[in-house]
Amino acid sequence: SQQGEEDPQALSIQEGENATMNCSYKTSINNLQWYRQNSGRGLVHLILIRSNEREKHSGRLRVTLDTSKKSSSLLITASRAADTASYFCATDSSYNTDKLIFGTGTRLQVFP
Amino acid sequence: DAGVIQSPRHEVTEMGQEVTLRCKPISGHDYLFWYRQTMMRGLELLIYFNNNVPIDDSGMPEDRFSAKMPNASFSTLKIQPSEPRDSAVYFCASSFVAETGVREKLFFGSGTQLSVL
Repeated sequence: SQQGEEDPQALSIQEGENATMNCSYKTSINNLQWYRQNSGRGLVHLILIRSNEREKHSGRLRVTLDTSKKSSSLLITASRAADTASYFCATDSSYNTDKLIFGTGTRLQVFP
Repeated sequence: DAGVIQSPRHEVTEMGQEVTLRCKPISGHDYLFWYRQTMMRGLELLIYFNNNVPIDDSGMPEDRFSAKMPNASFSTLKIQPSEPRDSAVYFCASSFVAETGVREKLFFGSGTQLSVL
């Protein structure tokens, strides 16, 4: 079974609004990563947060990690139509840091 | 660097035929992963290699699937015989170990869209 489950499955917002996506996972992790996938393309890495970090920023992206709740959130601020894509969280595990398992993904639609 | 290169981009074949998907990882990367993506099952890890050696193939669905990495710059995923339920997008990704000793992010290819009729 997949390590990560994302919520919501789909999200539609207007340009300029913030988008928040959540990810829950099952076992202890070493790090958690977020990826983006445009339709018909491969996944692109966005940001990585380690298990000893609680928050990380990269441009308009903000990621939080709560290891006690085994959950993470990705916030995209001031969204743009170009942010329309699917977003996936991915986790390794503390006993196998090589193996990266992806969540179910959130489909984000940003309307101009 | 051209990134991870996969071929073919699209493959349409008939049930029972052999299918071979190809991947060229980024030079210098020592990890290579094969994933399969479908609407029903999402992204599934099939197998991964480290330094050309298969480490974990527990995600390979059946004996009809096999993967090889004869050298650091080439890997293949073979399905023989193919079945309609194998229809999916197959992604190859490569990665490397950072100075921290931890394997970092994955770099994905554009995928192969496989349709088995």
